Amino acid sequence: AQRVTQPEKLLSVFKGAPVELKCNYSYSGSPELFWYVQYSRQRLQLLLRHISRESIKGFTADLNKGETSFHLKKPFAQEEDSAMYYCALSGGSKGANSKLTFGKGITLSVRP
Amino acid sequence: EAGVAQSPRYKIIEKRQSVAFWCNPISGHATLYWYQQILGQGPKLLIQFQNNGVVDDSQLPKDRFSAERLKGVDSTLKIQPAKLEDSAVYLCASSPTGTSGRNEQFFGPGTRLTVL
Repeated sequence: AQRVTQPEKLLSVFKGAPVELKCNYSYSGSPELFWYVQYSRQRLQLLLRHISRESIKGFTADLNKGETSFHLKKPFAQEEDSAMYYCALSGGSKGANSKLTFGKGITLSVRP
Repeated sequence: EAGVAQSPRYKIIEKRQSVAFWCNPISGHATLYWYQQILGQGPKLLIQFQNNGVVDDSQLPKDRFSAERLKGVDSTLKIQPAKLEDSAVYLCASSPTGTSGRNEQFFGPGTRLTVL
């Protein structure tokens, strides 16, 4: 069975502070890991995926297979980063493997 | 490009009543997903379609939930009869297929269902 754990529900930081949103997963094969974000009154959207190894809006996430983690990091938080963040996992891009298993999500609040 | 459309946006019904949700995916997207998101939880897959065929419905409560995707475009999700625990946001998502390495799902705004 595949499972995604986001151990914290809320992270509140001041603007300019570093951010780390934690994500751990359980999967027997080679997973694809994603971070999705939902800003206030907007729809859920993809932030980044591990296979792209890119930085989006200053956020990065590295897949650590040894620790089965995919933590999301940003060195200097901005107020516009305030949102709900979900870590998600899929077994691949084809067929039933493409379904996403989500964590419970974490609310990031960046104070001025 | 237009995004995933869903209607209605909000629905309030009493338990044991029936309700239906509609989804129009992004044009050309062959794969369509319905997720249920209960308050405080992440979305959970209910059913996945590839064109008009079901790929995965293992988590769909088939005694009360049904879904179809006739003609491989629009989809409807129905609950009959509804229970209190069905109160949730129902999300529709679509993704293109055949694009190697891409597995981005595009989500609709969701339908918030309240069962009284």
